Amino acid sequence: ETGVTQTPRHLVMGMTNKKSLKCEQHLGHNAMYWYKQSAKKPLELMFVYSLEERVENNSVPSRFSPECPNSSHLFLHLHTLQPEDSALYLCASSQDGASGRWNEQFFGPGTRLTVL
Amino acid sequence: AQSVTQLDSHVSVSEGTPVLLRCNYSSSYSPSLFWYVQHPNKGLQLLLKYTSAATLVKGINGFEAEFKKSETSFHLTKPSAHMSDAAEYFCVVGSDTGGFKTIFGAGTRLFVKA
Repeated sequence: ETGVTQTPRHLVMGMTNKKSLKCEQHLGHNAMYWYKQSAKKPLELMFVYSLEERVENNSVPSRFSPECPNSSHLFLHLHTLQPEDSALYLCASSQDGASGRWNEQFFGPGTRLTVL
Repeated sequence: AQSVTQLDSHVSVSEGTPVLLRCNYSSSYSPSLFWYVQHPNKGLQLLLKYTSAATLVKGINGFEAEFKKSETSFHLTKPSAHMSDAAEYFCVVGSDTGGFKTIFGAGTRLFVKA
């Protein structure tokens, strides 16, 4: 596998379910991201991990819980979601430069989440 | 504070005619600027990036963008549209301050008519 992969590609869950989204990058990058893409809204950055440490958390509700066990894997654990959480969840990775300069991100295909 | 504005939510062109997708940015520092494309049900793909080298940046699929500091613009162009260019395009600004703050524009949907 190459690039950034995400599983599952589609997920339907009830409000009381617990599920997890998985992201894996095969690019040797040291930073990974979760984004939420809703219809008619700009892409929202949810979490950023650099060197497996969370460095950015944009006030996301606690029903979303990220986990980064190593630099290649990123999870998003979901519990007691609301219908308004239905969206496309995108994972991305990048190489964090020593200068701190922002480098381009490589995106996975996304997980289409529907909360009933 | 940084911001990015894509001036058109939708652009419609005929196949074979030029494409212009407009983007204005605001940044206190020398910005990094990017254009991404997203085809239906796919993730985002980098088209091109500006990182303070040449002001005219060439990307994939015949797209290019010109960084104009005086106008704080980074418009995306292509001389001749192809049906496969129909997609959503995002202008993105990063910064030199370090950290991971990135700002995505709201997106421009490009329609290409036969």
